[in-house]
Amino acid sequence: GDSVTQMEGPVTLSEEAFLTINCTYTATGYPSLFWYVQYPGEGLQLLLKATKADDKGSNKGFEATYRKETTSFHLEKGSVQVSDSAVYFCALSGGLTGGFKTIFGAGTRLFVKA
Amino acid sequence: DGGITQSPKYLFRKEGQNVTLSCEQNLNHDAMYWYRQDPGQGLRLIYYSQIVNDFQKGDIAEGYSVSREKKESFPLTVTSAQKNPTAFYLCASSRTGGDSQPQHFGDGTRLSIL
Repeated sequence: GDSVTQMEGPVTLSEEAFLTINCTYTATGYPSLFWYVQYPGEGLQLLLKATKADDKGSNKGFEATYRKETTSFHLEKGSVQVSDSAVYFCALSGGLTGGFKTIFGAGTRLFVKA
Repeated sequence: DGGITQSPKYLFRKEGQNVTLSCEQNLNHDAMYWYRQDPGQGLRLIYYSQIVNDFQKGDIAEGYSVSREKKESFPLTVTSAQKNPTAFYLCASSRTGGDSQPQHFGDGTRLSIL
């Protein structure tokens, strides 16, 4: 079935460092891909999405490109801030197996030090 | 503003007791979901519903029950059969048509055992 694998955390960075969180997926068909962010004690919020191959999703300085050839959707940010400390989830939906349901990765916790 | 409201934010359950978590949305979404999140882990799907008066089991439905009598509401009951109910519970909703739709989340209910 459909699945999402993302790098284990925690990831600890200093402020203004470059961030990459790796995400790969397995799915049949043409799924849409998402990154969600969860701040402590809250629900998840959509950070960005991409609906077809080579699409780039971007929001708040974060970017991710839908790479069908490598089945990847890595999250990047050029300069992180302390306020970016959170848990980041890669997800997909619209694959032939899962349909409209969303399949989430296990999450990657990011700590940014001042 | 539209959104999802979960209540209560914190809930305590005694042994042998059923408790019900509330989830209400005013986004006019057809689909609603319940997830369980354990510390340091990803989201596991409990139940989901695509339409009023219909719902399906997710990956960990045992010990839980739901109803979907109104489009706006999708309450979750944690029954006494759920032997390890302590967790963070998240409700979400989404559209189901067209391009794969992102999910919108509430702020969660944290359930603990007395």
